[in-house]
Amino acid sequence: EIVLTQSPATLSLSPGERATLSCRASQSVSSYLAWYQQKPGQAPRLLIYDASNRATGIPARFSGSGSGTDFTLTISSLEPEDFAVYYCQQRSNWPRGFTFGPGTKVDIK
Amino acid sequence: QVTLRESGPALVKPTQTLTLTCTFSGFSLSTSGMCVSWIRQPPGKALEWLALIDWDDDKYYSTSLKTRLTISKDTSKNQVVLTMTNMDPVDTATYYCARSISEGAFDIWGQGTMVTVSS
Repeated sequence: EIVLTQSPATLSLSPGERATLSCRASQSVSSYLAWYQQKPGQAPRLLIYDASNRATGIPARFSGSGSGTDFTLTISSLEPEDFAVYYCQQRSNWPRGFTFGPGTKVDIK
Repeated sequence: QVTLRESGPALVKPTQTLTLTCTFSGFSLSTSGMCVSWIRQPPGKALEWLALIDWDDDKYYSTSLKTRLTISKDTSKNQVVLTMTNMDPVDTATYYCARSISEGAFDIWGQGTMVTVSS
């Protein structure tokens, strides 16, 4: 099973700052990686698919990069509504299933 | 507009079977490429994918839970049903259904339904 590791576990930043979140896979997932945002009491929302493609309606301040085993989600300038938990998810070994990372919480410094 | 909504019991007893229904609109599960998955999240923990059914009625399950899960669809009712047998307190979680296209990312999610397993 492919294991995803996210770092840091918590990122404390101020509005306007740049956020850089990391997701590392235990083996190559090619570009089959997605990022989701989840706020308390809400369902996850798709931000990025296939490593670098923004989903419909996602602001340009969110960007994804990487391939193979190392991926990054960047939020160029944090807005108040961006403080949330972010999960990465891979699908490269389909049909052997999907896996999610443990999440990175971005909170207000 | 694509929407999904989960429904089912809020409380089940240990050893019972859980049945959850995902009712969706805005797309058809008979359209090539369409898929619906079930994903759960224990309180304060990460997401865990459980099962997927696709437009061709192919079914896929989490390796660790496959002996307990059954997924099915009723295309005429726009519903996907998940059953999980032998429920345990560790299965307490919010259960989500979500759409994907051709086993891609989960682009639309339901609001989730909280299930507590307790005697």
